[in-house]
Amino acid sequence: QQQVKQSPQSLIVQKGGISIINCAYENTAFDYFPWYQQFPGKGPALLIAIRPDVSEKKEGRFTISFNKSAKQFSLHIMDSQPGDSATYFCAASMMNNAGNMLTFGGGTRLMVKP
Amino acid sequence: DAGITQSPRHKVTETGTPVTLRCHQTENHRYMYWYRQDPGHGLRLIHYSYGVKDTDKGEVSDGYSVSRSKTEDFLLTLESATSSQTSVYFCAIRGPGNTIYFGEGSWLTVV
Repeated sequence: QQQVKQSPQSLIVQKGGISIINCAYENTAFDYFPWYQQFPGKGPALLIAIRPDVSEKKEGRFTISFNKSAKQFSLHIMDSQPGDSATYFCAASMMNNAGNMLTFGGGTRLMVKP
Repeated sequence: DAGITQSPRHKVTETGTPVTLRCHQTENHRYMYWYRQDPGHGLRLIHYSYGVKDTDKGEVSDGYSVSRSKTEDFLLTLESATSSQTSVYFCAIRGPGNTIYFGEGSWLTVV
């Protein structure tokens, strides 16, 4: 049973456009929702994260929108650039649980065309 | 760079042989993790450790064992490798602010 579902699996966006990636979770005990960015041949790196007490968090061109009642959260990349081309993973965890183990979505491969 | 080093970075092995992957950290973090990454599945937790000699199973632990005899080293062992264990393996640590940081990965092919 996949606890975090991510869509779409792949996304092509023109330079300057908005990239939107969606995730849905099932476990209402999750209280930490990070997004990771991964370039080929590299490990995932934390991009931005949100706690459920806020509905939106913005860092530069990256915004997380969070809908607690719908158990959904999304990543918006504004003014997408070719350098943003990577695989993006959403994740969820229980921060106070021993280990803060992350449960990941399946990933979205983003390609930004020049 | 969270001071995580994985070795080997690439390995090809035959079915039925034992394989050990090593994760080394330089910053004395208590929590360490092993994940595997497969297309369409994201990353899935294999085992984790919360201190020297303290380990526990994750979501996909069958066929894997781990050991942590020193704070800085977390070993993942495939006792008898199978083709289904062909994957990319990532070690991670829990750093400041409870953020999880990943290593560069170990590409394992079982033929």
